[in-house]
Amino acid sequence: GNSVTQMEGPVTLSEEAFLTINCTYTATGYPSLFWYVQYPGEGLQLLLKATKADDKGSNKGFEATYRKETTSFHLEKGSVQVSDSAVYFCALARQGTYKYIFGTGTRLKVLA
Amino acid sequence: DAGVTQSPTHLIKTRGQQVTLRCSPKSGHDTVSWYQQALGQGPQFIFQYYEEEERQRGNFPDRFSGHQFPNYSSELNVNALLLGDSALYLCASSSSVIQGWGEQYFGPGTRLTVT
Repeated sequence: GNSVTQMEGPVTLSEEAFLTINCTYTATGYPSLFWYVQYPGEGLQLLLKATKADDKGSNKGFEATYRKETTSFHLEKGSVQVSDSAVYFCALARQGTYKYIFGTGTRLKVLA
Repeated sequence: DAGVTQSPTHLIKTRGQQVTLRCSPKSGHDTVSWYQQALGQGPQFIFQYYEEEERQRGNFPDRFSGHQFPNYSSELNVNALLLGDSALYLCASSSSVIQGWGEQYFGPGTRLTVT
């Protein structure tokens, strides 16, 4: 079946450190891939997306590249800020369906 | 431009009771999806409504039902509540017209506690 696997958290970094959150997926066909962020007490916000292989999604300094050969969509940021502290969810959506499949989330804590 | 709104914010119910949660989609959106997010987990797809009909359903029992109104707002109903139904319920809206597959906008959620 279709699934998303994220690295276990929490991830604790110092401000200005480099961030990588790993995400791999299992899906038939060519799914679209997403990263969502959830700040404390809030709903999910779309951070970035990629709809086909080799696409790079980017937003607010975050980037992720759709790698079909490794079925991965790792999230990266060159220099994190305290305000980036949140839970990050990787998700996929298969073509022709309407539901998102989410990973379990990775909590990021950035220390000043 | 109002985003996705949900009501109520918090709700406490007793096992066996019934509950109704409400969602108003983002302006211009006509499709509403519902998700259940248990503590420490990712959201799980319950179902999606489009043109006032359930278009797709996840692996949830029939105790979970919904409705979409002509103004595109939606309700999620859960009957015979179980302790395991305690979760954050998220509503997400999207547009069937805008190109760019699958972008959904999420509301802040309703926190349901079953005692």
